Amino acid sequence: SQQGEEDPQALSIQEGENATMNCSYKTSINNLQWYRQNSGRGLVHLILIRSNEREKHSGRLRVTLDTSKKSSSLLITASRAADTASYFCAPRVLYNNNDMRFGAGTRLTVKP
Amino acid sequence: KAGVTQTPRYLIKTRGQQVTLSCSPISGHRSVSWYQQTPGQGLQFLFEYFSETQRNKGNFPGRFSGRQFSNSRSEMNVSTLELGDSALYLCASSLVYFASGTLNTGELFFGEGSRLTVL
Repeated sequence: SQQGEEDPQALSIQEGENATMNCSYKTSINNLQWYRQNSGRGLVHLILIRSNEREKHSGRLRVTLDTSKKSSSLLITASRAADTASYFCAPRVLYNNNDMRFGAGTRLTVKP
Repeated sequence: KAGVTQTPRYLIKTRGQQVTLSCSPISGHRSVSWYQQTPGQGLQFLFEYFSETQRNKGNFPGRFSGRQFSNSRSEMNVSTLELGDSALYLCASSLVYFASGTLNTGELFFGEGSRLTVL
């Protein structure tokens, strides 16, 4: 198993701006998932990108995956105050994807 | 359908006591994972169960244990509580499917957590 490492640790932007956060991992993956956590709550699944995909969209979310660099990025466009949360990536390792580990996350603050 | 249910939501214990937390997964989900979240250590994996068997375990002492029942409900137990066990304990359930010759776990659905305070 492995965990992703998110970067930056914290990000503060104005409403309407775009937010980009990055994730790096170390070994080959089956897929990579992004989750959001509002303060003190459970995590919510945002999007899954498979190892054979390079880009995926879901609403205002855009995720890219570069398996050669072992990295992924999450872009939130036209951010809103409600997007304020912590964001975690979770790489799913090939052949051992039954435990999912999370990094420290990126704490996003969107100011109204 | 109902989400993942964790009970109790809040509890206060004293050092040396033990605690049992319960997790009811989404109907049809057979994999249950547990996590501990603290400000200092972040979100740490405790263990994962499938079909009443622990498949994976994180790096926690033996005071942390768990089990899964035939209906997929899971419990975790922490014995001889320490101050550092104060945390938000999160449970997540997921579907399991067979693909590419292996069992794969789908996306995780989290409960709202059990917040444990140890005094």
